[in-house]
Amino acid sequence: DAKTTQPNSMESNEEEPVHLPCNHSTISGTDYIHWYRQLPSQGPEYVIHGLTSNVNNRMASLAIAEDRKSSTLILHRATLRDAAVYYCILRDGTNFGNEKLTFGTGTRLTIIP
Amino acid sequence: DTGVSQDPRHKITKRGQNVTFRCDPISEHNRLYWYRQTLGQGPEFLTYFQNEAQLEKSRLLSDRFSAERPKGSFSTLEIQRTEQGDSAMYLCASSLGDRGPNEKLFFGSGTQLSVL
Repeated sequence: DAKTTQPNSMESNEEEPVHLPCNHSTISGTDYIHWYRQLPSQGPEYVIHGLTSNVNNRMASLAIAEDRKSSTLILHRATLRDAAVYYCILRDGTNFGNEKLTFGTGTRLTIIP
Repeated sequence: DTGVSQDPRHKITKRGQNVTFRCDPISEHNRLYWYRQTLGQGPEFLTYFQNEAQLEKSRLLSDRFSAERPKGSFSTLEIQRTEQGDSAMYLCASSLGDRGPNEKLFFGSGTQLSVL
């Protein structure tokens, strides 16, 4: 699986937007970009995913660079409940039948009240 | 939606003892995964099942580890002759198994194992 690079940690003020970056310079044309987050004492939870186009859902937005070598997870208005470790994961779109996720160390997001 | 359930939440054992963890996936999910997570690291893949068939095992899964999913529903992960290095959070996840790269994994809250 292609590798991703994320900052180890970030801080943001409550009620402000948060932009979490992810670099994936070796991404292939068939790799999907998935984001999961892990709240304290919980298992990871799905946030959002995309292939080429920007994506929005009730939790967040995913902005994918035109060359797909980077992406940004956007939390539009951070709350204290968004404090978590955020993982950016590439998933091979041609490898049907093997949908395991390969996690890195992620970005620890701290929300400042 | 009851989510993925894991039991127990915490387990303390002495080195050399055997331990068994249970995972109950979301009911209609065909795929079940086991992961291990140590402090400050992301979860590491151990193994996964498609229904009752164990389709892949990581090199991390030594001979002391065995996982089963006998009827394609719940799964157990057993660790024999535990070592202090086995101390970790053991996470279970499930998924539908038919969405390819759009597949979403749903994780339980994990079993925290401490080997003394």
